[in-house]
Amino acid sequence: AQKVTQAQTEISVVEKEDVTLDCVYETRDTTYYLFWYKQPPSGELVFLIRRNSFDEQNEISGRYSWNFQKSTSSFNFTITASQVVDSAVYFCALSPNFGNEKLTFGTGTRLTIIP
Amino acid sequence: DSGVTQTPKHLITATGQRVTLRCSPRSGDLSVYWYQQSLDQGLQFLIHYYNGEERAKGNILERFSAQQFPDLHSELNLSSLELGDSALYFCASSIGTSGVQETQYFGPGTRLLVL
Repeated sequence: AQKVTQAQTEISVVEKEDVTLDCVYETRDTTYYLFWYKQPPSGELVFLIRRNSFDEQNEISGRYSWNFQKSTSSFNFTITASQVVDSAVYFCALSPNFGNEKLTFGTGTRLTIIP
Repeated sequence: DSGVTQTPKHLITATGQRVTLRCSPRSGDLSVYWYQQSLDQGLQFLIHYYNGEERAKGNILERFSAQQFPDLHSELNLSSLELGDSALYFCASSIGTSGVQETQYFGPGTRLLVL
């Protein structure tokens, strides 16, 4: 069975602070994919990143960065110099490699950026 | 804008009724997925169709059914509705290449309220 844990239910930071959202996963698959999605107040789910289990390089995209550590089964997401527009619920998700299978989502972390 | 469209955006109905949610995938995508987001269950996978055929089933109730049509749009039918079916229903699509887990792009969702 697959499981994704986002232990941080809610986080509030002041604008321009850095913030890290934690994601820990469980899977028996040797090959799998990890994702992050953003759900702003408007409700849609916006894709942020996909990472496969063989690629442990950290990724940076503008103010966003992701740290994938297979040894600790974690895929953490950091926002640097946070902005009010970053306020949203962020979901980490896991999927096996084959068959275009379902995404297993964590419970999400609600991030509030205080101006 | 992900390119996935869902109609209607909002739906209010009464217990015992039946509703149909519609999804059009991104141009060229063959796979369609349905997810339910509720306060108590979080984001849960319901069902996956690939090029008209059912591929995988998740926590989908027997009162719910889905299909994907030759033009690749999909419909999720919810019948004998109960208060607990109130949720945000998402459709997602991906290219559907066999053997490769691709990114699922989500539509804006249909918010269902059962009174």
